[in-house]
Order: sequence, then structure tokens, then C-alpha cells
Amino acid sequence: EAGVAQSPRYKIIEKRQSVAFWCNPISGHATLYWYQQILGQGPKLLIQFQNNGVVDDSQLPKDRFSAERLKGVDSTLKIQPAKLEDSAVYLCASSPTAGRYGYTFGSGTRLTVV
Amino acid sequence: QQQVKQSPQSLIVQKGGISIINCAYENTAFDYFPWYQQFPGKGPALLIAIRPDVSEKKEGRFTISFNKSAKQFSLHIMDSQPGDSATYFCAASRAGGGNKLTFGTGTQLKVEL
Repeated sequence: EAGVAQSPRYKIIEKRQSVAFWCNPISGHATLYWYQQILGQGPKLLIQFQNNGVVDDSQLPKDRFSAERLKGVDSTLKIQPAKLEDSAVYLCASSPTAGRYGYTFGSGTRLTVV
Repeated sequence: QQQVKQSPQSLIVQKGGISIINCAYENTAFDYFPWYQQFPGKGPALLIAIRPDVSEKKEGRFTISFNKSAKQFSLHIMDSQPGDSATYFCAASRAGGGNKLTFGTGTQLKVEL
């Protein structure tokens, strides 16, 4: 079974620039999550999709972050404009349903804002 | 109330020793407590999980101990090996919480020869 694919692996941008991350979940997984992992901290949920609908985006800074999941498969997370404090690893995860199990993370995109 | 507190921040154990990582939570609605292992450059991977209706769960060298009254749970790694060197995160979620995981701050484990 192929894992959760993310790209790019690394990205360096200047503050105020925009950036986008892409995630391809495990085939058939209805639920997709984006987590932000700041260095030295545990991952924090940004947004959760069930198919192509948003379930929880309460911790997404909506003035600069946006995410979409077209056709209930791939997802993109965008930051515009980026701030220094957005430097983090952005992890995508997927699970078969909104249940607790089969939660699989991708390797993440490491973003550095300079 | 959504926090999960984890300690220690870092841990050095000799090969063959026991590694112990502790977590505490406040939200009594949490009812699922997984532990994740993360290697550098990789995403977290589920190691072992427990529900509060049992006090202990063992899978190979990994054991979770759970104390519901104290709202604490811990991971024990028996016979620690250099290959266990990684960052470990405890987490918690609750029914009706949409499967959102609340993570601890992580413990960097190093197993020395």
C-alpha cells in the first residue's frame, strides 16, 4: 500500500511571499488532515477534510492560510503571505474514515521563511 | 483543557535499559491515547495505543500504562535498542472530536551502546 505522498520536501521562501504544499492521501482514505509541526513541538491540527468537505478548521489562520481538497482526493495547503513564524514542517495525514484508526502521516514539507 | 503534557524533553538510555516517557492530560473527555514514533525527516508513525478501559497494553517491547484517576499515561520501552533512538509523542483524542489528535511536546530518546 502506497503511503501519503507530499511535495515538495523542502521549501525556502522570503517573508511575505506565497507558498503551496501538495498532498496525495492513501487511496480510498476519506479523511485528510493538515498538521503544523514547529521545531521542538508536537504536531498541531490546522484543518481536517471529510471527502471534500471541511470538518474542522478552527485552528487555521484563515487570514493567510487556505486549503482545498478538490474531488475528495488530493489536497493543497497555501500560505499567503508567509511570516517568519510559519517556519515549520507541514504534515499531511489520512485515515479511512473519521474514526480513530488507520491514521497515516506523510513525511512532511519543511518550510523555512527568511 | 486540551493540553497534553509530556516529559522528559530528552532521554538518554543505555542499550538494554528501560526507557520511560510520561504524559498527563486534563480533558476527561479524551478516550483514546496513542503513542507515535518519529524519525528525522519522517512523519510520525503509530507505535501503540490504549483506551481508558484498560490499565495496561503491551506490544512486544512497548508497553503503555494508563492511570485514569491520575489522568496520566506512560510509555515503557523494554530492552531499549539503538534503533529505538527517535522522538516519541503521546497524543489524545475524544469521541466526537472528529479524530483530531492533540499531541504532547515530544521526547527525544537516544539509546547508547
